[in-house]
Amino acid sequence: ETGVTQTPRHLVMGMTNKKSLKCEQHLGHNAMYWYKQSAKKPLELMFVYNFKEQTENNSVPSRFSPECPNSSHLFLHLHTLQPEDSALYLCASSPIYKQGKTQYFGPGTRLLVL
Amino acid sequence: QKEVEQNSGPLSVPEGAIASLNCTYSDRGSQSFFWYRQYSGKSPELIMSIYSNGDKEDGRFTAQLNKASQYVSLLIRDSQPSDSATYLCAVEDGNNRLAFGKGNQVVVIP
Repeated sequence: ETGVTQTPRHLVMGMTNKKSLKCEQHLGHNAMYWYKQSAKKPLELMFVYNFKEQTENNSVPSRFSPECPNSSHLFLHLHTLQPEDSALYLCASSPIYKQGKTQYFGPGTRLLVL
Repeated sequence: QKEVEQNSGPLSVPEGAIASLNCTYSDRGSQSFFWYRQYSGKSPELIMSIYSNGDKEDGRFTAQLNKASQYVSLLIRDSQPSDSATYLCAVEDGNNRLAFGKGNQVVVIP
């Protein structure tokens, strides 16, 4: 257990569905992240939030919409996804002002888009 | 584009041997360096961090950093079957952004 939880752990959705992924961290960190991990590709950073303010949107399509209501919670709202969006979606958190700002990952949500 | 390269293919090592993994990075401004272990179907788990040139040892793991050569490595001594996993090199740019390599798969053969 890293102190970062994600729900659901598995999700199957059609291209017309709307769903949300949830992440919660219990580490007192102030930065949270969404990553996408596809087969045979490096981890791709999607969004970064520092003190619940978005500081990075790594050219992510608008069908992915993040929300960070506070420093402990992060959501990723999904709508009209494509089959190529099927992947493992990982949430991470880190402190901001410590050296290294080590990121700790949640268990991930395995998403399948049909 | 900040790149992190892990070019070696799958690495098979006998149990008890040393596994050696290499990583190079393109951004000279990189501040911090990490190795994560990822078991199949699981999320990445931090195993080592290193911030200054030289070696850092933690149990059976040793990380080595050479900023002049933009090179970081990981040695796993006395490899165990439980070390079979994919190892991800990650480099932080000083602004909370981690760039990851594609990973190296390690298979420890009993």
